[in-house]
Amino acid sequence: GAVVSQHPSRVICKSGTSVKIECRSLDFQATTMFWYRQFPKQSLMLMATSNEGSKATYEQGVEKDKFLINHASLTLSTLTVTSAHPEDSSFYICSALLRTVFNYGYTFGSGTRLTVV
Amino acid sequence: EDKVVQSPLSLVVHEGDTVTLNCSYEVTNFRSLLWYKQEKKAPTFLFMLTSSGIEKKSGRLSSILDKKELFSILNITATQTGDSAIYLCAGNTGTASKLTFGTGTRLQVTL
Repeated sequence: GAVVSQHPSRVICKSGTSVKIECRSLDFQATTMFWYRQFPKQSLMLMATSNEGSKATYEQGVEKDKFLINHASLTLSTLTVTSAHPEDSSFYICSALLRTVFNYGYTFGSGTRLTVV
Repeated sequence: EDKVVQSPLSLVVHEGDTVTLNCSYEVTNFRSLLWYKQEKKAPTFLFMLTSSGIEKKSGRLSSILDKKELFSILNITATQTGDSAIYLCAGNTGTASKLTFGTGTRLQVTL
């Protein structure tokens, strides 16, 4: 089945530094990937849609310069949280869209828990 | 703005009980309704529903969609402690293939 690998699973960083999170589709090509943020006991909030070879589409209220998304290949999207602050601490999850003639579905990565101290 | 609402927000049942989780949606260019189970990490896929009135089943879980009433339910029969999780439903906007997630229902199954 379709597998998405997300790395790292957990990261602690100092306030003001940047953190990069990777999302890889291991056995399929994903032209579209999605980045979500989840606060404790809340649902997944879509941050942006990442399209291979083009700029990401951000949801309303999400700062593009703060959350940099790069989708340079068909199997890799990265989310960089720049100049992280404690309020950026959250659970970040990526999802890859599998879309073929025979198959359509979303596969999620295992998530990254970011703690900014 | 797309909106997905789930109820109840949380539920505590005894092992062996049957539960029904609800999901209502307002999604532009609706394509499908998806159900996920989330334990500690990423959501795991349960069902994708595209047609009204056709029940999908997987073991003790089943789900059905009503596109007229913009509503879906997820049933779990003979619940087990391993069913304890957050159940999420999401509306799929065909335009950009985006998923809008509901608030989730936190299910706890006790012995």
